[in-house]
Amino acid sequence: AQTVTQSQPEMSVQEAETVTLSCTYDTSESDYYLFWYKQPPSRQMILVIRQEAYKQQNATENRFSVNFQKAAKSFSLKISDSQLGDAAMYFCAYRSTAGGTSYGKLTFGQGTILTVHP
Amino acid sequence: ETGVTQTPRHLVMGMTNKKSLKCEQHLGHNAMYWYKQSAKKPLELMFVYNFKEQTENNSVPSRFSPECPNSSHLFLHLHTLQPEDSALYLCASSRSGQIKGEQFFGPGTRLTVL
Repeated sequence: AQTVTQSQPEMSVQEAETVTLSCTYDTSESDYYLFWYKQPPSRQMILVIRQEAYKQQNATENRFSVNFQKAAKSFSLKISDSQLGDAAMYFCAYRSTAGGTSYGKLTFGQGTILTVHP
Repeated sequence: ETGVTQTPRHLVMGMTNKKSLKCEQHLGHNAMYWYKQSAKKPLELMFVYNFKEQTENNSVPSRFSPECPNSSHLFLHLHTLQPEDSALYLCASSRSGQIKGEQFFGPGTRLTVL
């Protein structure tokens, strides 16, 4: 079974600075997807960024980028030019591409609460 | 607004009550999910429905009973719950078969069991 670990329960950053959230995972699969989801205080979870394991290039979405290290099974999220609206709980998630009962199933980490200071 | 709505947003119930949570998606998806989010724990997948058929039951106690009458609606029927069942219950939907497609989440129902 896959596991996802976020070792930072809480992080903080000054507005306009850069912060990196860590995520590691354990899997025996070679093909899978990784996601970062953001859950603001209003609680509606939204997708921030997605990485396909077969792609070597790190995904980027505006101020959000990932550092995907497949051999190390590491998937960190970098937020540049942090804004007050970035304050939220961030979840790392793993999605198997295997068939059967694992198909489409998301496995989440424990989450990291990000505080942005003005 | 992500197109997935949940009602009620807050629910307080006693251990002997019966209540239902409702989820509705307006995105044309055909896969729907129930998750449980407890403090300081990862989101736990409870149930998965694809095209109205239950494809995953993640060892959830029988006091939680899901129902999916059509691809747009998902219910979670609750009866004789325990205080440890207090949590945020999240519904999500996605396009079945699109493995890299994202799941869209509702705002959740905050459940408190007294």
